[in-house]
Amino acid sequence: DQQVKQNSPSLSVQEGRISILNCDYTNSMFDYFLWYKKYPAEGPTFLISISSIKDKNEDGRFTVFLNKSAKHLSLHIVPSQPGDSAVYFCAASDVSGGSNYKLTFGKGTLLTVNP
Amino acid sequence: GAGVSQTPSNKVTEKGKYVELRCDPISGHTALYWYRQSLGQGPEFLIYFQGTGAADDSGLPNDRFFAVRPEGSVSTLKIQRTERGDSAVYLCASSQDTGDEQYFGPGTRLTVT
Repeated sequence: DQQVKQNSPSLSVQEGRISILNCDYTNSMFDYFLWYKKYPAEGPTFLISISSIKDKNEDGRFTVFLNKSAKHLSLHIVPSQPGDSAVYFCAASDVSGGSNYKLTFGKGTLLTVNP
Repeated sequence: GAGVSQTPSNKVTEKGKYVELRCDPISGHTALYWYRQSLGQGPEFLIYFQGTGAADDSGLPNDRFFAVRPEGSVSTLKIQRTERGDSAVYLCASSQDTGDEQYFGPGTRLTVT
């Protein structure tokens, strides 16, 4: 039973355009959400996070939006660069329930940014 | 500084054999985590250590899997009587303290033939 779902296995965008990666979750106990980026043969690296008390968090070219009522979050990358090409994982945890250490990941979305 | 390191990077073993996977966390990080990433899936939580003790091992699939962290630093994930379904990338992560940002190692790719 996938509690975190990334329904698009892949996404291709042109350099300079916006990349939008989507993530849905089913567990209403999740209250902290993260995006990780993974290059081949490397471990995932943290990109950006958002607490459920917010609906938006921005860091440079990366913005995460959270819609709690829809149990949906998205990662926007503007402008997209070829170096952004990687697998992006959405992850969630239940902080207020005491499981802030346990990340539940989606299957990932492979983003390809074409020059 | 040095990141999380994992050895070996690749391990091929025969069904039924015993394997050990090692994780060296970032120096000073008290929390350590093991995840497993099967083909086409995201990382899946296995076990979490705070210091030397396993604070949550609820993700270990069965009793063939065991992990230790005897001195609160290096951790070893041990798999007995390996099965083909154990083939996956085993990821280790560490954080300064529980709930802090998790830094992942490159993983050990285990193949059981």
